[in-house]
Amino acid sequence: AQRVTQPEKLLSVFKGAPVELKCNYSYSGSPELFWYVQYSRQRLQLLLRHISRESIKGFTADLNKGETSFHLKKPFAQEEDSAMYYCALSDAGNMLTFGGGTRLMVKP
Amino acid sequence: DTGVSQNPRHKITKRGQNVTFRCDPISEHNRLYWYRQTLGQGPEFLTYFQNEAQLEKSRLLSDRFSAERPKGSFSTLEIQRTEQGDSAMYLCASSHIADPSYEQYFGPGTRLTVT
Repeated sequence: AQRVTQPEKLLSVFKGAPVELKCNYSYSGSPELFWYVQYSRQRLQLLLRHISRESIKGFTADLNKGETSFHLKKPFAQEEDSAMYYCALSDAGNMLTFGGGTRLMVKP
Repeated sequence: DTGVSQNPRHKITKRGQNVTFRCDPISEHNRLYWYRQTLGQGPEFLTYFQNEAQLEKSRLLSDRFSAERPKGSFSTLEIQRTEQGDSAMYLCASSHIADPSYEQYFGPGTRLTVT
């Protein structure tokens, strides 16, 4: 069974500080991994996916198959980054399995 | 707005009543997914369709739940004999099978409160 774990429910940092949101997964095959974000009063939207190896809004995430992790990082947090972040895993583009989410609060 | 739409946005019902939600996916998206999200949790998969065929159902989907996508366009999710434990946000998402990114586009959700 596939499982995604986000150990922190809440992460609070000051503006300009580095941010790392942790995500660990368990899956027997080769997963597709994603980070979704939900800003206040907005719908869930894709932030980035591991297959594209892109940086979106300054965020990056590296898939570490040895540690089964897909942590989300940003070197300098901005207030507008405050949101709920969900790590998710997909089996060949089918259903998504989400972690429990981490609320990021960036204080001024 | 060409995004995924869901109706109603909010539904309050009494225990034991039946409710039906509707999801309109992005035009030409052939995959449609339903998820349920309770407070403090991430979304949990319920079921998904490819065109009109229901391809997978979660064990979370009890026999009180039924979903349809009759013409491969919009979908409905019906809950019969609602229970207080059904109170949650019901999310719909759509994607296109040919999209190599596997991105799912989410709707705003329908919040169900069972009293």
